Amino acid sequence: EVQLVESGGGLVQPGRSLKLSCLASGFTFSNYGMNWIRQAPGKGLEWVASISSSSSYIYYADTVKGRFTISRDNAKNTLYLQMTSLRSEDTALYYCARHSNLYVYYGLSYYFDYWGQGVMVTVS
Amino acid sequence: DIQMTQSPASLSASLGETVTIQCRASEDIYSGLAWYQQKPGKSPQLLIYGASSLQDGVPSRFSGSGSGTQYSLKISSMQTEDEGVYFCQQGLKYPLTFGSGTKLEIK
Repeated sequence: EVQLVESGGGLVQPGRSLKLSCLASGFTFSNYGMNWIRQAPGKGLEWVASISSSSSYIYYADTVKGRFTISRDNAKNTLYLQMTSLRSEDTALYYCARHSNLYVYYGLSYYFDYWGQGVMVTVS
Repeated sequence: DIQMTQSPASLSASLGETVTIQCRASEDIYSGLAWYQQKPGKSPQLLIYGASSLQDGVPSRFSGSGSGTQYSLKISSMQTEDEGVYFCQQGLKYPLTFGSGTKLEIK
């Protein structure tokens, strides 16, 4: 059974840092790209960052670029999100999600097939 | 960035009714579209990928269709457990983007 378990959230002051972790099990972690997706209270979903299986390709949303760093340790089956210079607008439930891909006419299309339960980050 | 516009924002349906939710992309996404269901207090769950492929374990009353910039999710016979918020997502280009969601309730 695929499991993704996030940890490391909490209450932090603006301008400070926090590091989230996501421990994966039930699949070969090193074969899959991974993502962080967040959801502000009562709001929709916002993709934050993606990392390919070997860390060769990394992408960020403009809202976090330069402040957040996604990384992974395939030996530990763990995904990370280092968050610095936190702002009140970063307050959200942060989900770790695995992505799979599908070939479409234009190229690869990515979708999130497994999600963790989420970890809350409050910046105040 | 590709903008995803979902409609309606909310709707209520009777048990057994057919429900359709629409999603429009700001440019052609070549069927690179997924649909998710989120129940209160839970993580989103994948329903449909590639615009029309049903994820394993998802009931067959869910179906997806569309091409180009226009896509839809259909629930053929509304059940109590289908209450929740539904999101579309384009996976063709970074940044990956979601629709704003459709809240579905039982009438």
